[in-house]
Order: sequence, then C-alpha cells, then structure tokens
Amino acid sequence: QSALTQPASVSGSPGQSITISCTGTSSDVGGYNFVSWYQHHPGKAPKLMIYDVSHRPSGVSNRFSGSKSGNTASLTISGLQAEDEADYHCASYTSSRILDVFGTGTKVTVL
Amino acid sequence: QVQLQESGPGLVKPSQTLSLTCTVSGGSITSGSFYWSWLRLPAGKGLEWIGRIYTSGDTNYNPSLKSPVTISIDTSKNEFYVNLRSVTAADTAVYYCARGAVAGTYWYFDLWGRGTLVTVSS
Repeated sequence: QSALTQPASVSGSPGQSITISCTGTSSDVGGYNFVSWYQHHPGKAPKLMIYDVSHRPSGVSNRFSGSKSGNTASLTISGLQAEDEADYHCASYTSSRILDVFGTGTKVTVL
Repeated sequence: QVQLQESGPGLVKPSQTLSLTCTVSGGSITSGSFYWSWLRLPAGKGLEWIGRIYTSGDTNYNPSLKSPVTISIDTSKNEFYVNLRSVTAADTAVYYCARGAVAGTYWYFDLWGRGTLVTVSS
C-alpha cells in the first residue's frame, strides 16, 4: 500500500486561496468518502481540519474546505493567513489491511 | 480537556525494542467510544499508522511494518503503550499517540500528542 500523493510544497500570499491535492486510488480516496485532513505545526500536536471529505469539526475556520473528484481529494484554504503556515497531511480509509493510509505531506508557506 | 503525552527513550540501539508510553490526562481512557493509536512521522516522509487498541484490548496493526509491534493498554494508569521489536534505522521517526473517534461516518484522529523523537542508532 503506497502513501497518498501530495505536492511537497504549496505557497501563497496573505489573502489568497491555495489548494492542496491528495491523489490515491480506487481502493482508498476514490472508493470511499472517508478522507480527512490534518494541520501540523512542527513541535505541536496535529489537528483534524476536515473529515468525511468536506466536513469541518467544530471550531475549525470556514476558510478551510475539502472536496473530492475521482481518486483525488483537495483541501482549499481561502483568505490565507500567516497562522496557516504549517504541514498538511491527508488521510483515507483503504480497503487494504492497512485500514488508514496517509499522504506524503505538504508544507504550506505564506509568503 | 483531555490531553495526550508521549514519553520514552529518545535513543534506541538497532535490534533492540522501542518502548513508548502515552499518558492520557484530563479524562478517563475508558470513557466514551474511542480507540487509541500510535502513528509515526519519519523525516522527509508522510505519516504512517502503526496500530490501534480499544479499551476492550482488541488491536489492529499495520501489516506493512517490518518490525514486529505490540500495543497494550493499562486502564488503571490511563496509559497505553507501543513496543516495536528488532528496530532498525528505518524506525527512526517522531512517534505520536492519538485518539480515534467517530466523526460523521468514520473514525478519525481527533486528538493527538505533540510527538516524541526516537532515533535508532548505535
């Protein structure tokens, strides 16, 4: 079971929107709506930002939104802010015995 | 609020056993419908799920791990543990404990520890 593919880095200026992709297969991202996204500021605890492809937990800013098309899920951050600079990891249920597979991680830089 | 904290040796020799503890504070490890997991983040790579344990003691492990792994729980201490045997340099990573909870229609990791770096080196 290979990791889901994410771009290594994405950058944007304050106020802009950026999108992070997460590409898997029909055995994970494409086959199930169990995709999640985690924000991770190094040295801190990761934080669940999106679950079930597009749902936000209570307390997560509505600047964060998720979607999916085929085998690719996406996380969009609108109105980019300095505090959004972090690593972002996608994850998906997989029908393999691994159960949960993660992406390769994306570093978001706010210019 | 509930918090998770990893602890254990930061340096382990090759072929030895990596043992970590996750202490749950601010709430009982047995309250609610959760499972308790270990994950790791090797430098330059993505997160890797290691395994999980329910308070019943039932476990699931990532079959792709090269080092044999065991996760256990001590509800009286509000702790759960991971043991990774016969480790190699490939097991060097930041190790995280996390809580799994149902959100929507599936289980997700809704609470994490800050992680602890474990280096495998002689």
